[in-house]
Amino acid sequence: DAGITQSPRHKVTETGTPVTLRCHQTENHRYMYWYRQDPGHGLRLIHYSYGVKDTDKGEVSDGYSVSRSKTEDFLLTLESATSSQTSVYFCAISGHGTEAFFGQGTRLTVV
Amino acid sequence: QKEVEQDPGPLSVPEGAIVSLNCTYSNSAFQYFMWYRQYSRKGPELLMYTYSSGNKEDGRFTAQVDKSSKYISLFIRDSQPSDSATYLCAPRDSNYQLIWGAGTKLIIKP
Repeated sequence: DAGITQSPRHKVTETGTPVTLRCHQTENHRYMYWYRQDPGHGLRLIHYSYGVKDTDKGEVSDGYSVSRSKTEDFLLTLESATSSQTSVYFCAISGHGTEAFFGQGTRLTVV
Repeated sequence: QKEVEQDPGPLSVPEGAIVSLNCTYSNSAFQYFMWYRQYSRKGPELLMYTYSSGNKEDGRFTAQVDKSSKYISLFIRDSQPSDSATYLCAPRDSNYQLIWGAGTKLIIKP
């Protein structure tokens, strides 16, 4: 398995609170991605990074921000969580933008 | 219209059957085509990928791309209950982004 760890694995939070999800990799891969997965929508890209401090928006970036200060860590922040952000979040890594390897996911519930 | 269309299923077949999973896409510029498998409550895992048109075989799995009809297929021979999962197709665009199908849920009945 690719060395990729997401934390926390489960989280319940209240509407309006900030939440940060962490993705940590040990593969030294250049590309890192955050996706959300919801029934009926499949995987949707939130943000991605192509290097330290280099990030860009995906198709569903509103309400989310990211940071990558080190190669191995990619943080996803929900500035003010809403119930529509209840989802399963996946981090993925890729060395050259072709094969992507996924973490185990974080189940986030916003109540 | 979505860029990648995939029947969500579920597709239920008996053990030992040949399974055919399919996607269609709209962007003729796609060159790499990935297949991922996702077990319940797990992250997707890469099964195999092909470049441009043609076939690629890996054990019981064969991936096929027909760029002229924009059609992607994954065949599973001698299907096993352990193959029960959701299968996602994902072409890669020119910006190195994967464009995901919705996934097909496959059930192999013992």
